[in-house]
Amino acid sequence: TQLLEQSPQFLSIQEGENLTVYCNSSSVFSSLQWYRQEPGEGPVLLVTVVTGGEVKKLKRLTFQFGDARKDSSLHITAAQPGDTGLYLCARHGGGADGLTFGKGTHLIIQP
Amino acid sequence: DAGVIQSPRHEVTEMGQEVTLRCKPISGHDYLFWYRQTMMRGLELLIYFNNNVPIDDSGMPEDRFSAKMPNASFSTLKIQPSEPRDSAVYFCASSFSGSGDTQYFGPGTRLTVL
Repeated sequence: TQLLEQSPQFLSIQEGENLTVYCNSSSVFSSLQWYRQEPGEGPVLLVTVVTGGEVKKLKRLTFQFGDARKDSSLHITAAQPGDTGLYLCARHGGGADGLTFGKGTHLIIQP
Repeated sequence: DAGVIQSPRHEVTEMGQEVTLRCKPISGHDYLFWYRQTMMRGLELLIYFNNNVPIDDSGMPEDRFSAKMPNASFSTLKIQPSEPRDSAVYFCASSFSGSGDTQYFGPGTRLTVL
């Protein structure tokens, strides 16, 4: 099993601060996805990164795929309470269609 | 679009009882996935279907778990008999195509087995 390790597991910060969360593995990925899950709901896809070194931006969220395609980071600038949620990274299994998820980072943005 | 629909949203049952979870995928999506989420193990793939045919059930924990997809608009996940360790949130997701495509998740069914 090719595990995805996410860190930190929990993060609580004040509104307006910046933060970075990480997703790491010992294996190379063809692509990696980031999801956000709010309480009582299913995960929602934020972005897919495919190319080593790729950077994608989604408003205040910046996603980066490592050059070696073994790790990824999510940076949030000027965090807002609406950013609160569980952030999950996921990859497609080799040759299979289902997703393998990391355990996620629980993010709380306090007003 | 209605999105992926799951029912019930909450289920509380006693150990030994049969539990059936239901899912209606997004119309036109050929792939349907069942996942289970717990604090300890995170979100795990149980089984998935392509065009109503089960493709990979290696994530199904035990023979007590079974899943069916009788047609393109309906799938069930059944646990018989249920045990307390089956308590989790069960998600159904669907996608238009396979690997690499966006999966759309339902709101989940929170199962509690007493």
